[in-house]
Amino acid sequence: GAGVSQSPRYKVAKRGQDVALRCDPISGHVSLFWYQQALGQGPEFLTYFQNEAQLDKSGLPSDRFFAERPEGSVSTLKIQRTQQEDSAVYLCASSPVEGPSGTYEQYFGPGTRLTVT
Amino acid sequence: DQQVKQNSPSLSVQEGRISILNCDYTNSMFDYFLWYKKYPAEGPTFLISISSIKDKNEDGRFTVFLNKSAKHLSLHIVPSQPGDSAVYFCAASGEIIQGAQKLVFGQGTRLTINP
Repeated sequence: GAGVSQSPRYKVAKRGQDVALRCDPISGHVSLFWYQQALGQGPEFLTYFQNEAQLDKSGLPSDRFFAERPEGSVSTLKIQRTQQEDSAVYLCASSPVEGPSGTYEQYFGPGTRLTVT
Repeated sequence: DQQVKQNSPSLSVQEGRISILNCDYTNSMFDYFLWYKKYPAEGPTFLISISSIKDKNEDGRFTVFLNKSAKHLSLHIVPSQPGDSAVYFCAASGEIIQGAQKLVFGQGTRLTINP
């Protein structure tokens, strides 16, 4: 079956521009996560949705970051007035409420590489 | 404050030998640990996990060991194959948010298997 997809795969934005990153999770997965991965680092948690409800946004670095999942499937991460420090790979992951072996496994998309110039 | 640490940025191993990747954590509330594998231009893929009630979990060529007292876990790959060349991330979770894990990742170790 289809995995998690993200678009665009690459995005170059000038400093100050707004960007929108899209995530299509695996069909039927109720949980959706956004992570930010800086160069040479591991993914860092940004926010989490269960269906359309955003249950945790503690990892969003500033109020310029906003995420939504209005119908409980596709999600969009929006960054307003981008800054150079926003340059990173943004990963989306989805998960069933409980994985087949109870492991709560998260399935990751390929990521969107954002470069702010 | 890095709660999950992978102190070796890279590791090179001969094909057929054992690869051992290490991970340390500081938060004693972590009770579930996972290893993910990542190829270039792809997202991380789940490899193997272990609960804190166990000290070992095995899946084919992959075994994860957990030493709770030392707050240390390791991933053993034996025998190592060229296709195992990738970046490996250790992740930990101690918080379940309404059925979903909040994962904290290490920085990753780049494993290269030499033929």
